[in-house]
Amino acid sequence: RKEVEQDPGPFNVPEGATVAFNCTYSNSASQSFFWYRQDCRKEPKLLMSVYSSGYEDGRFTAQLNRASQYISLLIRDSKLSDSATYLCVVNARGSQGNLIFGKGTKLSVKP
Amino acid sequence: GAVVSQHPSRVICKSGTSVKIECRSLDFQATTMFWYRQFPKQSLMLMATSNEGSKATYEQGVEKDKFLINHASLTLSTLTVTSAHPEDSSFYICSARDRIRTEETQYFGPGTRLLVL
Repeated sequence: RKEVEQDPGPFNVPEGATVAFNCTYSNSASQSFFWYRQDCRKEPKLLMSVYSSGYEDGRFTAQLNRASQYISLLIRDSKLSDSATYLCVVNARGSQGNLIFGKGTKLSVKP
Repeated sequence: GAVVSQHPSRVICKSGTSVKIECRSLDFQATTMFWYRQFPKQSLMLMATSNEGSKATYEQGVEKDKFLINHASLTLSTLTVTSAHPEDSSFYICSARDRIRTEETQYFGPGTRLLVL
């Protein structure tokens, strides 16, 4: 089983749609969870950290279920500028802060 | 926010040459920097963790003699790809963690695209 698994997509949605991404992780000792976005041929940029069961930031909501080892990201009222690859990232306890990246889910928002 | 720079942004070299990539934290001090590699349509893979003033810690399968890392100051880490071959062509990205902040956020550099002919 891969350490961090995501649906690769692509998700093609119209502007204004609500879209949800799922992610599962294999290491039950994982302590920190993040969503990054990566634009084509660019570096990843932190979207949000998920330290509790749920976290909302404007149109973005992340949820964490430690029992199921599952993280989700919900984007409401999607914009064209939301088009990117969304990376689920996990930091395992005792790993000196090493981040483990999922392959990412590609989102394409169409007019 | 914290800024990390990388230089060069793009490099093309002949097979057998060595390439040095610099990673700098511009407005904060980083005791720890990370080097990642990303092949097309693949996830970022951690290559090594660079610690200021000590030897880097390499991930399994990454040759330390081929990928030389030097972290001589709190704001600079370098990765040297020695005797580069076409299979080393990739997107190399560094990240840095602010030594003052307790959170685990890593700030990423813009990446370096390496093409070995």
